[in-house]
Amino acid sequence: GNSVTQMEGPVTLSEEAFLTINCTYTATGYPSLFWYVQYPGEGLQLLLKATKADDKGSNKGFEATYRKETTSFHLEKGSVQVSDSAVYFCALSAYNYGQNFVFGPGTRLSVLP
Amino acid sequence: NAGVTQTPKFQVLKTGQSMTLQCAQDMNHNSMYWYRQDPGMGLRLIYYSASEGTTDKGEVPNGYNVSRLNKREFSLRLESAAPSQTSVYFCASSEASGQGYNEQFFGPGTRLTVL
Repeated sequence: GNSVTQMEGPVTLSEEAFLTINCTYTATGYPSLFWYVQYPGEGLQLLLKATKADDKGSNKGFEATYRKETTSFHLEKGSVQVSDSAVYFCALSAYNYGQNFVFGPGTRLSVLP
Repeated sequence: NAGVTQTPKFQVLKTGQSMTLQCAQDMNHNSMYWYRQDPGMGLRLIYYSASEGTTDKGEVPNGYNVSRLNKREFSLRLESAAPSQTSVYFCASSEASGQGYNEQFFGPGTRLTVL
């Protein structure tokens, strides 16, 4: 079946450091890929998405590129801020999977001033 | 647009009590979902409804029932609450696209404690 694997956290960085959170997926067909962010005490919000190979999603300084050859969708940001501290979830959706969406386990990011 | 709304925001139950969590969306989406999130863990799908009139079990359906009341509303019922059901419950909705589904939109969550 379809699955999403994320790097284990927590990740702790200093402000202005470079961020990478790895995400790889297994899916039949051509899934859409997403990154969600969850701030403390809140629900999940869509951060960015990509719907086909080589698409780059971007938002708020975050970027991720849909790499079909490596089945990856790594999240990157050039300079993190304290306000980026949150939990980040990688996810995919595909028609041929009964429950349609699969989420990774989440990666907690803490950014220190 | 309110997006996805959930009520109540917080609830404390005693073991054996029942309750219904309400969810509504105003985006005219066909698909709706219920998840639970336990501390330090990701999301686990309880039930989903691909369209009005249909519901299907997800990963962890035991102890729960759902009702897709209409296109807007999807409720989750705990018939006899247990401490293991202490969790944060999220409702979400989405719409099909050409190659899968568009992003899910999430409600703010219901924080449930079962004593």
